[in-house]
Amino acid sequence: AQSVTQLDSHVSVSEGTPVLLRCNYSSSYSPSLFWYVQHPNKGLQLLLKYTSAATLVKGINGFEAEFKKSETSFHLTKPSAHMSDAAEYFCVVSGINSGYSTLTFGKGTMLLVSP
Amino acid sequence: NAGVTQTPKFQVLKTGQSMTLQCAQDMNHNSMYWYRQDPGMGLRLIYYSASEGTTDKGEVPNGYNVSRLNKREFSLRLESAAPSQTSVYFCASSEGTGNTIYFGEGSWLTVV
Repeated sequence: AQSVTQLDSHVSVSEGTPVLLRCNYSSSYSPSLFWYVQHPNKGLQLLLKYTSAATLVKGINGFEAEFKKSETSFHLTKPSAHMSDAAEYFCVVSGINSGYSTLTFGKGTMLLVSP
Repeated sequence: NAGVTQTPKFQVLKTGQSMTLQCAQDMNHNSMYWYRQDPGMGLRLIYYSASEGTTDKGEVPNGYNVSRLNKREFSLRLESAAPSQTSVYFCASSEGTGNTIYFGEGSWLTVV
């Protein structure tokens, strides 16, 4: 079984300041981990993906995430927020259910960016 | 690049009506999925299809049926819609285990 906990339902930052979105996971296997972003009334777009290669993963739009096995964490960061980053972010773990790949989603973190 | 295409984008149903959500992908992926998204719940898996000809229940399958028509298409049917099925539905596909899952744009369904 696997689970994902996003530690903050909302995060507010000012434009130009760093972003930190926190995610903890549990998994019986070596997991694949993802961050997806969803803008209002849109589908989900992949930001980045970890699959047991480098522990620091770089994604699109300046985002990156660090896989820390000892802390079972996969936090998402960005050095400087932009207004266009305002969206909902989902941490996701990929696992196996009855032999098939499925995704387990966190409940999401809404990122608010103020001018 | 079309990716994952789902229709309709918006639909209003009366309680007890039936409807089918259509989904097609052009990436030659083996696996396809249907999720529903509700406020504060993230996305929950309704049904998935690991390959053509197979379907399996996910976390919240009650009230739904699916058909994997061919490798490209995976439809979701509500036989008798209920207000609790008001949600945003996402179709998705992936190559297989551990691979990136690609999502459609979503279908907003309201049951009154």
